[in-house]
Amino acid sequence: AQKVTQAQTEISVVEKEDVTLDCVYETRDTTYYLFWYKQPPSGELVFLIRRNSFDEQNEISGRYSWNFQKSTSSFNFTITASQVVDSAVYFCALSEAGNSGAGSYQLTFGKGTKLSVIP
Amino acid sequence: ETGVTQTPRHLVMGMTNKKSLKCEQHLGHNAMYWYKQSAKKPLELMFVYNFKEQTENNSVPSRFSPECPNSSHLFLHLHTLQPEDSALYLCASSQEGPGLAKNIQYFGAGTRLSVL
Repeated sequence: AQKVTQAQTEISVVEKEDVTLDCVYETRDTTYYLFWYKQPPSGELVFLIRRNSFDEQNEISGRYSWNFQKSTSSFNFTITASQVVDSAVYFCALSEAGNSGAGSYQLTFGKGTKLSVIP
Repeated sequence: ETGVTQTPRHLVMGMTNKKSLKCEQHLGHNAMYWYKQSAKKPLELMFVYNFKEQTENNSVPSRFSPECPNSSHLFLHLHTLQPEDSALYLCASSQEGPGLAKNIQYFGAGTRLSVL
């Protein structure tokens, strides 16, 4: 069974600090996809990144960067020079390609990490 | 604006009421989803529709009844709900399957439901 653990329930940082959000996953599939979403107070989940299990390259997008390590089953997310607008709940999610098709699809979310950036 | 619109944004209903949640997507997708988000619990997938056909029903009680008349619209009909059904209900859409696992889901802002 697939599982996503976000051990940090809440994090508070002061503006301009760097912060890393942890995500650890469990899967028996060799092909799977990992996602990060941001949920601001308005409610909608905003897609940030997708990574497939065969691509271990780290990715950087502006102040955001992601560190994917299959050896430790982790997909951590770092925000550099945090800003107040980064305050939100961040979700890590996993889907297994072996479950594609009718009757077996599942995108599993972690419980989320609430990030508060203090001015 | 993500291209997925949910109405109403807030809903209060009694346990004997019947109401419906609506979701509309303008992204040209063919797969749509309902999720339930309760406090301190992970998002729970409720239903999946792919090309208007229901492909997932994650043991959801029959008091929740989905309807997908076309690829752009998804409804969740509610009747005789319980107070524990109070939650944020999120709709999402993605490109069609097969290969749903890799598709990026785009979410609406949700309907905040309170059952009294």
